[in-house]
Amino acid sequence: DGGITQSPKYLFRKEGQNVTLSCEQNLNHDAMYWYRQDPGQGLRLIYYSQIVNDFQKGDIAEGYSVSREKKESFPLTVTSAQKNPTAFYLCASIPGLRAGYGYTFGSGTRLTVV
Amino acid sequence: ELKVEQNPLFLSMQEGKNYTIYCNYSTTSDRLYWYRQDPGKSLESLFVLLSNGAVKQEGRLMASLDTKARLSTLHITAAVHDLSATYFCAVDIAGTASKLTFGTGTRLQVTL
Repeated sequence: DGGITQSPKYLFRKEGQNVTLSCEQNLNHDAMYWYRQDPGQGLRLIYYSQIVNDFQKGDIAEGYSVSREKKESFPLTVTSAQKNPTAFYLCASIPGLRAGYGYTFGSGTRLTVV
Repeated sequence: ELKVEQNPLFLSMQEGKNYTIYCNYSTTSDRLYWYRQDPGKSLESLFVLLSNGAVKQEGRLMASLDTKARLSTLHITAAVHDLSATYFCAVDIAGTASKLTFGTGTRLQVTL
């Protein structure tokens, strides 16, 4: 079945450490997105990519980095510059821009700083 | 800057009752989405509303869009416990690469 796979499901990060969250889709979707959700809040956009080898900053990109070397993959690195990374991270994709489809979301990665 | 506001933020209702969740947004848009999130889980797409006057229904949920009023509603008919979840609306503006701006969510609790 097609879908988006995020891994790991739970991730613990020590202070000053970089960690990478994986997002892989087999839907042949062009556009991919990373959102952050804090407890009791809505989602905020971190980064997005419309095509391979291209990506743009969202509203809260500071302390994060991404790459899009393959259409299927859009990993997110949480760097040590991100001072408050504890949150639920969701990856999403759509077939094409403004095609009128809702996002397909992955199951999420819950990141905790220890 | 686009703002998306939902109300109420929390709703406790009895089984069998009807209620409406409201989603207001600040900038012209013709695309609005409703999602459901269960505790600790990801988001599930409920409705995609693509034009003024659009109405969609699935089971006990019905969503509508009034682009002139910049308002969408999610109406719950004869609520059942299984509808307990957090509901988000999200808005997409033309020319923004389909970046969705989400509301803060409405946490619905249906009691027996």
